[in-house]
Amino acid sequence: GQSLEQPSEVTAVEGAIVQINCTYQTSGFYGLSWYQQHDGGAPTFLSYNALDGLEETGRFSSFLSRSDSYGYLLLQELQMKDSASYFCAVMGGGGGNKLTFGTGTQLKVEL
Amino acid sequence: DVKVTQSSRYLVKRTGEKVFLECVQDMDHENMFWYRQDPGLGLRLIYFSYDVKMKEKGDIPEGYSVSREKKERFSLILESASTNQTSMYLCASSTSTGGISYEQYFGPGTRLTVT
Repeated sequence: GQSLEQPSEVTAVEGAIVQINCTYQTSGFYGLSWYQQHDGGAPTFLSYNALDGLEETGRFSSFLSRSDSYGYLLLQELQMKDSASYFCAVMGGGGGNKLTFGTGTQLKVEL
Repeated sequence: DVKVTQSSRYLVKRTGEKVFLECVQDMDHENMFWYRQDPGLGLRLIYFSYDVKMKEKGDIPEGYSVSREKKERFSLILESASTNQTSMYLCASSTSTGGISYEQYFGPGTRLTVT
């Protein structure tokens, strides 16, 4: 099966940089994705990594190390609107493009 | 713009009732998913479907069944609702065109309360 670990809460100040880590255990691995969910909203896709290295999308970057079964989401120039929950999700075996999600990290951005 | 809609935003049912949650997507996606989301537990996969009339169990299928008679519609059925099925239910879809798709599109969710 698959399991993922990520911190439950992270707090940072506006304008800062924050890193949300995710470690995973999986049988079969196709990639690691990141989703954002605001309170009361639906999860929305942010990024994915299928290969080792850093992927950058604007203020957000995501990193993967397959040998360490580890990834992180990096948020730069934090804004108040970045306060949300962030989920890592692994695509392992089993077909159907199935994802297994972590328990989520609640990010609080303070002034 | 991909749109995934769910039949109800809030639902209150009594223990033992049969409950139907409906999900419709308008992007001709092959894959559809049902999750439940509980505080501290993240999103847990109940069932998924990668084609019409096809279904696969997820991580927590007990007490649930699903139906996919048309490509755009995926229904979650609680045969006999119980209080431990009180939760937020999220539907999602993704495409298989072009191979692996890491992006799932989620509906707004149905908050089900079983009393």
